[in-house]
Amino acid sequence: KNQVEQSPQSLIILEGKNCTLQCNYTVSPFSNLRWYKQDTGRGPVSLTIMTFSENTKSNGRYTATLDADTKQSSLHITASQLSDSASYICVVSRSNDYKLSFGAGTTVTVRA
Amino acid sequence: GAGVSQSPSNKVTEKGKDVELRCDPISGHTALYWYRQRLGQGLEFLIYFQGNSAPDKSGLPSDRFSAERTGESVSTLTIQRTQQEDSAVYLCASSIPGLWVAEAFFGQGTRLTVV
Repeated sequence: KNQVEQSPQSLIILEGKNCTLQCNYTVSPFSNLRWYKQDTGRGPVSLTIMTFSENTKSNGRYTATLDADTKQSSLHITASQLSDSASYICVVSRSNDYKLSFGAGTTVTVRA
Repeated sequence: GAGVSQSPSNKVTEKGKDVELRCDPISGHTALYWYRQRLGQGLEFLIYFQGNSAPDKSGLPSDRFSAERTGESVSTLTIQRTQQEDSAVYLCASSIPGLWVAEAFFGQGTRLTVV
């Protein structure tokens, strides 16, 4: 069973609307969590990193939250743009060996 | 190199043939991951290398799949007797474990099409 589960698997939103992606993990001991963006035909690129002590972090219109107690993270996209169409991947690092565990990703499609 | 390099970028092969995919990680990155991404699907873990430790092969889907890595350099993923269901993009990523905010850097992937 994957230690990082993402939902929904995919979603479609209209340009200008907001959306929230979820990531639940069982990775332990926890070190940090990153959200990656993967544009079509390209490799994933890091958007933001969350450490144990951080609850929220923003990168432009992207805001990530982390609840280390419930082992949940979310990525909120505000005022979506067509360029936000991509897959968003949640990656969690263990603190003992720093092995990375990857979620399967959420595919976001923004329509005009 | 400046980034993770994968080759070839595209590969079309006939069913039943063997293929070899290559990944050049970023210099100094001791951790290397192979993932598979079928069309419209998420990432599927295949194998993880960390330095000289035994690789984590738990994600390899069958014994037709194998991967090697010499030291902390190039890795090759070999698929024997390819099947149509092997068609996917194969992504490689590398990182520096021990650096607690280590970021995984991905290659552009190899798109494999089995006809």
